[in-house]
Amino acid sequence: DAKTTQPNSMESNEEEPVHLPCNHSTISGTDYIHWYRQLPSQGPEYVIHGLTSNVNNRMASLAIAEDRKSSTLILHRATLRDAAVYYCILRRAGTASKLTFGTGTRLQVTL
Amino acid sequence: DSGVTQTPKHLITATGQRVTLRCSPRSGDLSVYWYQQSLDQGLQFLIQYYNGEERAKGNILERFSAQQFPDLHSELNLSSLELGDSALYFCASSVQGAAGELFFGEGSRLTVL
Repeated sequence: DAKTTQPNSMESNEEEPVHLPCNHSTISGTDYIHWYRQLPSQGPEYVIHGLTSNVNNRMASLAIAEDRKSSTLILHRATLRDAAVYYCILRRAGTASKLTFGTGTRLQVTL
Repeated sequence: DSGVTQTPKHLITATGQRVTLRCSPRSGDLSVYWYQQSLDQGLQFLIQYYNGEERAKGNILERFSAQQFPDLHSELNLSSLELGDSALYFCASSVQGAAGELFFGEGSRLTVL
């Protein structure tokens, strides 16, 4: 599985936008970029995914670099409920499609 | 609520014992995944089933086994338990394909004393 690199932790103020970076320089053409988050004492939760184009949904936006070697998860207005570990994961098409979790970024949101 | 149901939520047992964790996937999802999360190892992929057949295997110990039944529910069997097997065990389900999201259950917390 291609690897991703994320900062161990980030902090944000409530109501401010948060940009969570992810590097995936060895991404292949058939790898989808997935983001999941895990709130304390809960199972991981899907956030967003994309292949080449930027994506928006009700939770977040995903900005994908033109060369696809990096991506950024954008939370437009962080709330205290967004405090979680965010995982950037590459998922290959056409195979078993398991998710391989790294260590993720622990996001702290403060008032 | 993800729609994935895991039982039991909590389980305390002794070393050397055997336990079975159960997972009911979301209605219509054919793929089931098992993950182990311990404090020092993070989320580790154990095994995946698709429509009753094993599809992928991760770092699953030989003492552990799993199966997916015709009604698509899955069971993870852990035997000869050791202290180090204490962890959260998550089940997830999805439709097949890399674009599909995984839906995770709330986990089964296993404590081995």
